[in-house]
Amino acid sequence: AQKVTQAQTEISVVEKEDVTLDCVYETRDTTYYLFWYKQPPSGELVFLIRRNSFDEQNEISGRYSWNFQKSTSSFNFTITASQVVDSAVYFCALSLGSSASKIIFGSGTRLSIRP
Amino acid sequence: DAGVIQSPRHEVTEMGQEVTLRCKPISGHNSLFWYRQTMMRGLELLIYFNNNVPIDDSGMPEDRFSAKMPNASFSTLKIQPSEPRDSAVYFCASSLTRWETQYFGPGTRLLVL
Repeated sequence: AQKVTQAQTEISVVEKEDVTLDCVYETRDTTYYLFWYKQPPSGELVFLIRRNSFDEQNEISGRYSWNFQKSTSSFNFTITASQVVDSAVYFCALSLGSSASKIIFGSGTRLSIRP
Repeated sequence: DAGVIQSPRHEVTEMGQEVTLRCKPISGHNSLFWYRQTMMRGLELLIYFNNNVPIDDSGMPEDRFSAKMPNASFSTLKIQPSEPRDSAVYFCASSLTRWETQYFGPGTRLLVL
């Protein structure tokens, strides 16, 4: 069975701190895709990144970085020098190569950045 | 480019009424998805279309729910009759192909009294 676990329900940090959101996934497929989406207080879902299972290179985009480790089935997301605008619910998600259309979402981590 | 467009953004209705949610995917995208988000169940896929054809509707809760995609630029999700437990945020998403990244609309917040 496929599953995405975001064990951190809520995180609160002070602005400018670094914060890491954990994501652990389960699948027996060798081809799969991992995603992170952001849901700010306004409610929309914003795509952040997609990674396929054959690309374990870490990704950096501005203050955002992602660490993909197949050995631990993890796809963690780090925000460096957090800002109040980063406050949102962040979802990690998984889709399989065999049925790439079906995305399985984690339960989300609510991140609050305090000024 | 315009993103996925959903209407209405908010809907309040009474139990037993018919509700129709609308979605316009990103132009050129061939796959369209309907999701429901609730506190209890999180985000769950209801149905998706590829080239206007329903491919997987296994997530549709029951016969009260139906979805159509009459053309490449429009889809509807209908609930008839609506019940209080249908209260949720309904998202529409589209992707270039079924294998590509899904981009989500702003959602429709539905409250059934």
